[in-house]
Amino acid sequence: KQEVTQIPAALSVPEGENLVLNCSFTDSAIYNLQWFRQDPGKGLTSLLLIQSSQREQTSGRLNASLDKSSGRSTLYIAASQPGDSATYLCAVNQAGTALIFGKGTTLSVSS
Amino acid sequence: SAVISQKPSRDICQRGTSLTIQCQVDSQVTMMFWYRQQPGQSLTLIATANQGSEATYESGFVIDKFPISRPNLTFSTLTVSNMSPEDSSIYLCSTDRGHSEAFFGQGTRLTVV
Repeated sequence: KQEVTQIPAALSVPEGENLVLNCSFTDSAIYNLQWFRQDPGKGLTSLLLIQSSQREQTSGRLNASLDKSSGRSTLYIAASQPGDSATYLCAVNQAGTALIFGKGTTLSVSS
Repeated sequence: SAVISQKPSRDICQRGTSLTIQCQVDSQVTMMFWYRQQPGQSLTLIATANQGSEATYESGFVIDKFPISRPNLTFSTLTVSNMSPEDSSIYLCSTDRGHSEAFFGQGTRLTVV
């Protein structure tokens, strides 16, 4: 059974820092991996989608990498801002299933 | 990309009553998914809804408690029945257009008192 783990569970950084969020999964047979952002009490906003054949995706200050064979992904946020404060969720997509989510990393960026 | 409109965005309900949550997608999709997110937790899949067939429920979720409708390829509803305070959660609908990027509604924040 696929399990997704995110480390750390919470992270507090001052504005301007570069940071890395980690995601690991136990079964490498995935179609893709997706990173989401969730603001308190709200729905999910898709940040980046990495197909299983890809190594990384970039969008603005965000860069996500995927090492499928080792079951790992990282989300790199450059020059963090207070507006980046949110919970970041990693999820994998496998054959015949809906997305399987990690528990998330709650990020707080102080000004 | 797909845009999903979900409503209501939030509600406070009395125990023993039912609430129906609606999701409208801006394009036709085969599969829609309903998730529950309990306070401080990640998302748990409730059921998968395909148009023209009954929803498939995950372990721990039953149709009598969470009936789902999927009348066409752009719309679905989830009803939370006979609510108790333990049902207080965020409920989210989603679609992924077949193993591609997944999109979510804005979520429904339900509080049962």
